[in-house]
Amino acid sequence: GAGVSQTPSNKVTEKGKYVELRCDPISGHTALYWYRQSLGQGPEFLIYFQGTGAADDSGLPNDRFFAVRPEGSVSTLKIQRTERGDSAVYLCASSPLAGEYNEQFFGPGTRLTVL
Amino acid sequence: SQQGEEDPQALSIQEGENATMNCSYKTSINNLQWYRQNSGRGLVHLILIRSNEREKHSGRLRVTLDTSKKSSSLLITASRAADTASYFCATAAEGYGNNRLAFGKGNQVVVIP
Repeated sequence: GAGVSQTPSNKVTEKGKYVELRCDPISGHTALYWYRQSLGQGPEFLIYFQGTGAADDSGLPNDRFFAVRPEGSVSTLKIQRTERGDSAVYLCASSPLAGEYNEQFFGPGTRLTVL
Repeated sequence: SQQGEEDPQALSIQEGENATMNCSYKTSINNLQWYRQNSGRGLVHLILIRSNEREKHSGRLRVTLDTSKKSSSLLITASRAADTASYFCATAAEGYGNNRLAFGKGNQVVVIP
């Protein structure tokens, strides 16, 4: 079956622009997660959805970042007024349930470059 | 906040040798997981060990967990060229379920054929 997919795979934008990054989780997975990975670092948690609602958005760095999951499936991470420091690989993951021992399945990521 | 932290290593080993990498963390956890990442993109889950477990095996992988020392190790036996990747440990903090994994910086492993 299909895994987690993310589009676009690469995004180059200019400082100050708005970007949207899309994540298609594995069908039937209720939990969805966004992480950000900077070069040479491990992924950093941003936000987690249980169904349509953001259950934990404490990892979002500031109010320029926002994510939605209106129908409990596809999610979009939105970044306003992008800054060069936002350049990173944005990873999405999903899991069947938000339980204690559920593996997270990761997508290939979107590499965002802010010039 | 708790965070998995590997000893930042770049291991270079010959095919057939064993590779060992370590991870430490700071607070109480529900579980600790190891992931592999190729070419700086998607992560692949390798193994999960619960906080009440001390050792776990999966194929050529062996994970240990010492909650008193807040540390874990991952051993890959009989390494293959295809094991070349970055390896990350990730912890799920107690009280948070599995919902916000905290990753370390990763170990780069190169297996020379």
